[in-house]
Amino acid sequence: EVQLVESGGGLVKPGGSLRLSCAASGFTFRTYTMNWVRQAPGKGLEWVSSISSNSAYIYYADSLKGRFTISRDNAKNSLYLQMNSLRAEDTAVYYCARDPATPQPEYFDYWGQGALVTVSS
Amino acid sequence: QSVLTQPPSASGTPGQRVTISCSGSSSNIGINVVDWYQQLPGTAPKLLIYSNNQRPSGVPDRFSGSKSGTSASLAISGLQSEDEADYYCAVWDDSLNGWVFGGGTKLTVL
Repeated sequence: EVQLVESGGGLVKPGGSLRLSCAASGFTFRTYTMNWVRQAPGKGLEWVSSISSNSAYIYYADSLKGRFTISRDNAKNSLYLQMNSLRAEDTAVYYCARDPATPQPEYFDYWGQGALVTVSS
Repeated sequence: QSVLTQPPSASGTPGQRVTISCSGSSSNIGINVVDWYQQLPGTAPKLLIYSNNQRPSGVPDRFSGSKSGTSASLAISGLQSEDEADYYCAVWDDSLNGWVFGGGTKLTVL
């Protein structure tokens, strides 16, 4: 069974940093593109970042302006999102999502349960 | 505002057919395939339709998708109370080099 489990969310002050993790199981992690998608309270879905299976291709939403860094460790079946210079508008549930991407971006076929990040003083 | 435009709300009575539209541009829907996601209250999104009109295993055939030019549509026939959810379209945008989502449509079953 495919499972994606996010961790690392919590309360952080504006300007602070946080690192999210996503532990994958039930599939061959190293062969899939992975993504982070966020959802602010009461709002719609917003794609954050994508990383290809071998980390060769990495993309970010323009709105992040270099504050976030996506990475992965295929040996540990894990996806990460380092978030710096956090702002109130980054408050959201952050989902990790799998993309078969063979090799073009395809769809998000599995999602984690989400990790809540709250940026507030 | 979102790159893809969806109506904020839609509604229907049990058994009816409803459609949700998704309007984009030549850099996204015009050249790439469209996916649809269903998000039930308090849960993570779930893939509903991929590659314009394909249903993942387990998704009832009451759900169907189509695409024409720079627009796409999700149709739900035989509406059921459990279909009450938020629906999002999504597509890769070649100009932005990233995924774009519609703003979401809240479906109410009256």
